[in-house]
Amino acid sequence: GAVVSQHPSWVICKSGTSVKIECRSLDFQATTMFWYRQFPKQSLMLMATSNEGSKATYEQGVEKDKFLINHASLTLSTLTVTSAHPEDSSFYICSARDHGGAGPNMLDTFGSGTRLTVV
Amino acid sequence: LAKTTQPISMDSYEGQEVNITCSHNNIATNDYITWYQQFPSQGPRFIIQGYKTKVTNEVASLFIPADRKSSTLSLPRVSLSDTAVYYCLVGDQARSGNTGKLIFGQGTTLQVKP
Repeated sequence: GAVVSQHPSWVICKSGTSVKIECRSLDFQATTMFWYRQFPKQSLMLMATSNEGSKATYEQGVEKDKFLINHASLTLSTLTVTSAHPEDSSFYICSARDHGGAGPNMLDTFGSGTRLTVV
Repeated sequence: LAKTTQPISMDSYEGQEVNITCSHNNIATNDYITWYQQFPSQGPRFIIQGYKTKVTNEVASLFIPADRKSSTLSLPRVSLSDTAVYYCLVGDQARSGNTGKLIFGQGTTLQVKP
């Protein structure tokens, strides 16, 4: 089945520094990837839609200059949290959409998530 | 985007069948119903997807009535390892270059007891 690899699985960084999270589709091409954020005991909140070769579409309230998204290839999207602050500490999850394959419907496959702690 | 409503939590015992119902009154013609499972500190994992009637795979069944305004995820003979959060999502799942987003509701926290 479809596999999405997300790295790192956890990261601790100092306040003011930047952190990059990678999301790779290992066995399919994903022209569309999504980035979510999840706080403890809460549901996933969509941050942005990442489209290969074009600018990401951010959800309302998500700062595009703080959360930089790059989707330069059909198998890789990156999320960079710039000038991180303690309030950015959260669980970040990516997903990749498989547009190919058989059948009328498609599935979003999720990465394993990245636990970011800003100290 | 169709909004979904699920019970916040459910308790069950090992070996029992668990049914989790999701309401989606505003489901659109092109929308599919997809259920995901999430364990703590992990990404959601696909369980099952359907459009109408009944779908069954090796882990669950999905029942969808004719009006499609609700769906029920059925987990047969749950075990302790089925303790997780279960999300019901509704969205246009057509393949052709679809960039439509999935919006997660609160999900149902299932606690399986010994």
